[in-house]
Amino acid sequence: QITLKESGPTLVKPTQTLTLTCTFSEFSFSITGVGVGWIRQPPGKALEWLTLIYWDDDKRYSPSLKSRLTITKDTSKNQVVLTMTNMDPVDTATYYCAHRRSDGSWDRWGQGTLVSVSS
Amino acid sequence: QSVLTQPPSVSGAPGQRVTISCTGSSSNIGAGYDVHWYQQLPGTAPKLLIYGYINRPSGVPDRFSGSKSGTSASLAISGLQAEDEADYYCQSYDSSLSGSVFGGGTKLTVL
Repeated sequence: QITLKESGPTLVKPTQTLTLTCTFSEFSFSITGVGVGWIRQPPGKALEWLTLIYWDDDKRYSPSLKSRLTITKDTSKNQVVLTMTNMDPVDTATYYCAHRRSDGSWDRWGQGTLVSVSS
Repeated sequence: QSVLTQPPSVSGAPGQRVTISCTGSSSNIGAGYDVHWYQQLPGTAPKLLIYGYINRPSGVPDRFSGSKSGTSASLAISGLQAEDEADYYCQSYDSSLSGSVFGGGTKLTVL
């Protein structure tokens, strides 16, 4: 059973950098097309895809946020890390990490972590 | 403004059938990329409901079904139950954005 869990701060100040860690288990990162990504959801709003890292370390970013995002993975620790710079109150959201299958669907999700941006 | 367009809300009485549409464009659904559907119960993470337009993961009741037509996809829920009350999202891949795109979500109310 694939599991993922997000960890990181629940509150950051405007202009600060957010760092979130996704710790996963029970899947291999060595399968073509498989990846781990981040998706966020502002309170009461829709899901928004942010970034994805593939099994071969290829990375994809949402064009609207690309300049602020970095995704990395450490397969020895079964972790994927998201950094987002220059945080703003509009970035307040629940941040999910999720497992992407080779068909493009997100079949396993973490429980999500609510990050608030406020001074 | 989401890349994929869904109706904000739908409703139906227990036992009835409802459908939720998802309209895209030539860079996503129209380009042949798969559509997937997610169910998000209040206060929980999304759950994969339908993948590849029509396929159900293990454990998803056959009351849920998906279809495709041109640059659109649809999710149908038959035999509505109170537990189906949730937000539903469609998702695909967009070649112009080089990434996943989601619909704006549809809130299903069981009357």
